Amino acid sequence: AQKVTQAQTEISVVEKEDVTLDCVYETRDTTYYLFWYKQPPSGELVFLIRRNSFDEQNEISGRYSWNFQKSTSSFNFTITASQVVDSAVYFCALSVYTGGGNKLTFGTGTQLKVEL
Amino acid sequence: DSGVTQTPKHLITATGQRVTLRCSPRSGDLSVYWYQQSLDQGLQFLIHYYNGEERAKGNILERFSAQQFPDLHSELNLSSLELGDSALYFCASSVGIGGNTEAFFGQGTRLTVV
Repeated sequence: AQKVTQAQTEISVVEKEDVTLDCVYETRDTTYYLFWYKQPPSGELVFLIRRNSFDEQNEISGRYSWNFQKSTSSFNFTITASQVVDSAVYFCALSVYTGGGNKLTFGTGTQLKVEL
Repeated sequence: DSGVTQTPKHLITATGQRVTLRCSPRSGDLSVYWYQQSLDQGLQFLIHYYNGEERAKGNILERFSAQQFPDLHSELNLSSLELGDSALYFCASSVGIGGNTEAFFGQGTRLTVV
């Protein structure tokens, strides 16, 4: 079975601070995919990034960066110079293809509050 | 805008009733997924359809059923509704069938059972 743990329930930062959201996953499969989604107050789920288990190259996209480490089963997400508009719930998710179908196993989410 | 359309956006109904939630996937996407988001259970996978065929099932209640039609839109039917079914129901779609393609989510249908 797959499991995703986001130990941080809520994080509050002041604008322009850097913030890292932690994600730890569990799976016995060697091929899997990791995702981050953002859920702003309006409620929709917005896709941010996908990584497969064979690609440990870390990525930077604007103010966002991701750190994937298989050795520690972690897929952390960092926002640099946070802004009020970054306030949202962030979900880490894991997908393992079973050969039949696909599903995302989500963590419980981290509520990020960015204040002025 | 993800390109995934869900209707209605809000739904209020009484216990014991039946409702149908509708989802139109992004153009070209063959996979449709349904998820339920509630305060106590978080985001839970319900079911996955690919090109009209059921491919994976999560902890979906027997009172719930879904289907994907030839035009690829999908419907989630919830019957004998209980207060605990109140939740945000998301539909998502992806091009392929595996996790190597990202799923894009609709805005959700907020169901309130009173």
